[in-house]
Amino acid sequence: DQQVKQNSPSLSVQEGRISILNCDYTNSMFDYFLWYKKYPAEGPTFLISISSIKDKNEDGRFTVFLNKSAKHLSLHIVPSQPGDSAVYFCAASAMDSSYKLIFGSGTRLLVRP
Amino acid sequence: ETGVTQSPTHLIKTRGQQVTLRCSSQSGHNTVSWYQQALGQGPQFIFQYYREEENGRGNFPPRFSGLQFPNYSSELNVNALELDDSALYLCASSLAPQGNQPQHFGDGTRLSIL
Repeated sequence: DQQVKQNSPSLSVQEGRISILNCDYTNSMFDYFLWYKKYPAEGPTFLISISSIKDKNEDGRFTVFLNKSAKHLSLHIVPSQPGDSAVYFCAASAMDSSYKLIFGSGTRLLVRP
Repeated sequence: ETGVTQSPTHLIKTRGQQVTLRCSSQSGHNTVSWYQQALGQGPQFIFQYYREEENGRGNFPPRFSGLQFPNYSSELNVNALELDDSALYLCASSLAPQGNQPQHFGDGTRLSIL
């Protein structure tokens, strides 16, 4: 039972272009969503989050969009840089589940110079 | 400000043995969560500790147990190790258990079971 799904295992974009990473979820009780970035041999690093009462949150080059009716969120990176190459995880939490994070399986982003 | 630190970095054990993994939380954080990450998958929640009490548990058997100490550091203990326990074990700390407090991860302990 995969409550958080990242259906694209990998994505390749040109430097300077937009990267769009997608995430779908099934549990309507999720009230908080987060994106993490992971480099090899390092732990996940928190990037950006969004509450279920919002539909957009922006932080510099990173923007997260939430579409609750479609149970879908996306992370936009503009402009993409080679240093953004990493595995990106989408995660969700619900107040009725001790706020444990449920992670997707990740999308590997490669930004080509 | 010191981030989340985990020890050891790598560990090799054999089936049936017991292991203890350690985590020091980020300064000011009173909540620690443990995750297991198998190859090619996202981290899976094991359990969370808040102010020295277990505050939620995922679908892991009782041979996975934990502790949180007064300084908010934490241990993960796994008894009767099985081959499927081979994974990266991640510790994360946060200011509070609420979901709007992002969890900050350590670099993990890579556990290999032979």
